[in-house]
Amino acid sequence: KAGVTQTPRYLIKTRGQQVTLSCSPISGHRSVSWYQQTPGQGLQFLFEYFSETQRNKGNFPGRFSGRQFSNSRSEMNVSTLELGDSALYLCASSEIAGGNNEQFFGPGTRLTVL
Amino acid sequence: AQSVTQLGSHVSVSEGALVLLRCNYSSSVPPYLFWYVQYPNQGLQLLLKYTTGATLVKGINGFEAEFKKSETSFHLTKPSAHMSDAAEYFCAVTGGAGGTSYGKLTFGQGTILTVHP
Repeated sequence: KAGVTQTPRYLIKTRGQQVTLSCSPISGHRSVSWYQQTPGQGLQFLFEYFSETQRNKGNFPGRFSGRQFSNSRSEMNVSTLELGDSALYLCASSEIAGGNNEQFFGPGTRLTVL
Repeated sequence: AQSVTQLGSHVSVSEGALVLLRCNYSSSVPPYLFWYVQYPNQGLQLLLKYTTGATLVKGINGFEAEFKKSETSFHLTKPSAHMSDAAEYFCAVTGGAGGTSYGKLTFGQGTILTVHP
């Protein structure tokens, strides 16, 4: 099976712009989670989607949003970008969220905000 | 709420020496615990996981971890370090199925492992 893929791998944006990141989970996986990784804050949970529904959300402002499509592919959007949004954004998929179901991570999208 | 503390942001060992990376957790429900490894410019790869049952868990690449409920610890060990083990390691906890646990791993701050020849 192919692993989790994320596109694009690198992005450079300027403050105030918006950005959309894409994640394709492993075939058959219905849960997709998103994380932000920064040197200062580490790995922080953004949100999780299952069957096109957001089931869980982390402590991030409303500028961060996401969605999931019927084929389980997911996108996350960040509007009105700030310098502090520069980070590695990781997507992870699992067959069923929660419990002992391990999450499989993609390589990430590195976002730089200038 | 759940939290994870990894003691030591940097650990340095010689090739062939014991690797010990420390992880303590806090959880109000029976935890599920994971260790992940991250190589530069890559995502996270699962090393091992504890769910229920045997408290000594074996993972990939010769790593293992022991769940100690009384000490709320889940330390990662490897008897003999290899140069290829140099990476950043993350301990993570989740609180089981349902509710605020859906799809959420809570990570420690990470430990960078350096292996000297």
